Amino acid sequence: QLQMQESGPGLVKPSETLSLTCAVSGASMTNNHYFWAWIRQPPGKGLEWIGSIFYSGTTYYNPSLKSRVTMSVDTSKNQFSLKLDSVTAADTAVYYCARDRSGRYTYWGQGTLVAVSS
Amino acid sequence: SYVLTQPPSVSVAPRQTARITCGGNNIGTKSVHWYQQKPGQAPVLVVYDDRDRPSGIPERFSGSNSGNTATLTISRVEAGDEADYYCQVWDSSDHRRVFGTGTKVTVL
Repeated sequence: QLQMQESGPGLVKPSETLSLTCAVSGASMTNNHYFWAWIRQPPGKGLEWIGSIFYSGTTYYNPSLKSRVTMSVDTSKNQFSLKLDSVTAADTAVYYCARDRSGRYTYWGQGTLVAVSS
Repeated sequence: SYVLTQPPSVSVAPRQTARITCGGNNIGTKSVHWYQQKPGQAPVLVVYDDRDRPSGIPERFSGSNSGNTATLTISRVEAGDEADYYCQVWDSSDHRRVFGTGTKVTVL
């Protein structure tokens, strides 16, 4: 059974970089059928796709965040990562990692709350 | 950018039918997926590719998609169906994934 687990700091200062990692267990990330995604949800608000990455490193980002987002993958550790630069309070959210198959999400991590505050 | 519009809320009595719409320009030409999210939990896929159900999802959940509107239908609504529901598409022209605005379903 595939499992996904987000990890990273729960508090980030404004203007700094948010960094999260998603560890994938129960399946290899090098399967040709899947991308691996980050999705976030501000408190009390809806879901927002941040970006998706293939195991080869091919990435697709939300245009609204593209200038600040970098995703990477480490297949040796079966994990992928998110960096979001120059954060503000508007980036406070629960961040989910998920498996992306043909643009749909069948497996999700439990989510991790990241607050942006000084 | 592609926008998906959902009603903020839908109320339904137990054992009745709830219908949640998702409006988007020519959405009928795209594959629509639906997620259920309960408080404090990650979303769960309940319908994919317009009308297919993942294993373990009750037949009470069904979907349709045509023209500018996709619809998630929940038949014989139960108290446990109370949740937020999101539609989602993959815009293949630019590989963007887009979520709808979300609908809160309340069981009366």
